[in-house]
Amino acid sequence: GAGVSQTPSNKVTEKGKYVELRCDPISGHTALYWYRQSLGQGPEFLIYFQGTGAADDSGLPNDRFFAVRPEGSVSTLKIQRTERGDSAVYLCASSRGTGELFFGEGSRLTVL
Amino acid sequence: QQPVQSPQAVILREGEDAVINCSSSKALYSVHWYRQKHGEAPVFLMILLKGGEQMRHEKISASFNEKKQQSSLYLTASQLSYSGTYFCGTEVPFGNEKLTFGTGTRLTIIP
Repeated sequence: GAGVSQTPSNKVTEKGKYVELRCDPISGHTALYWYRQSLGQGPEFLIYFQGTGAADDSGLPNDRFFAVRPEGSVSTLKIQRTERGDSAVYLCASSRGTGELFFGEGSRLTVL
Repeated sequence: QQPVQSPQAVILREGEDAVINCSSSKALYSVHWYRQKHGEAPVFLMILLKGGEQMRHEKISASFNEKKQQSSLYLTASQLSYSGTYFCGTEVPFGNEKLTFGTGTRLTIIP
C-alpha cells in the first residue's frame, strides 16, 4: 500500500495489561512520529524518530510508554501496565522532510 | 502550550465563506493546517513558513502573521467536501516538524 499502515485498528485490553501498536510508514520516509488523540482533541505529540533513533521523546507521558524503530522503517509503540487514561487513538505519521506529515488511520486503544 | 483555535465550531451553507483562526503564545517557525473527517486520518492542507507567502489549496487559502504568531485559514465558496475538523499545528524553530496541534474547529457544510 502507498499509505501509512497501522495495526491493530482497534485494541481492547484490561487495565494493567501490556499493549503493542505497530506502524508501517511510507517507504523511503525517514522521519516517523507518534501522536495520541483523545476524543474531541487535537493530536498530541509523543515521540519522533529520524532513522532508527528517537530524536525527540519529550511527549511520552511516563516510563510506561516506549517506542522502537530498530531498522529505520516499522515502529512499535509499547505501553506497559495500561491505565484507563491511556484510552485514545494512537496516530502514526511519516514524513520525507518536506514538512507534510502523512498520517495513518490510527489504532484505537480502549482500556477497560 | 497548545495553540488556540477559533471558532470551535461553525455551520455554513454550501457556497458561504468562513475564516478559522489559530493563535500561539510561542515564537513560531511554521504553521501547518490539516483537515480530519470523522473516523479518518488527518490530511495535510498546507504549510505557512515564517517569511513565506500566503498559501492556497483549491479554494482554501491561509496567511501567517509572524508578529502576532497567528494564522488564519480562509475557506471561500465552501463545498460539502470541506466538512470536517480543521487543526492548526505549530512548529517552533528547530522543531524537526514536531507539531503542537490546536483543539480544532469543526466545520459543517449543509446543502
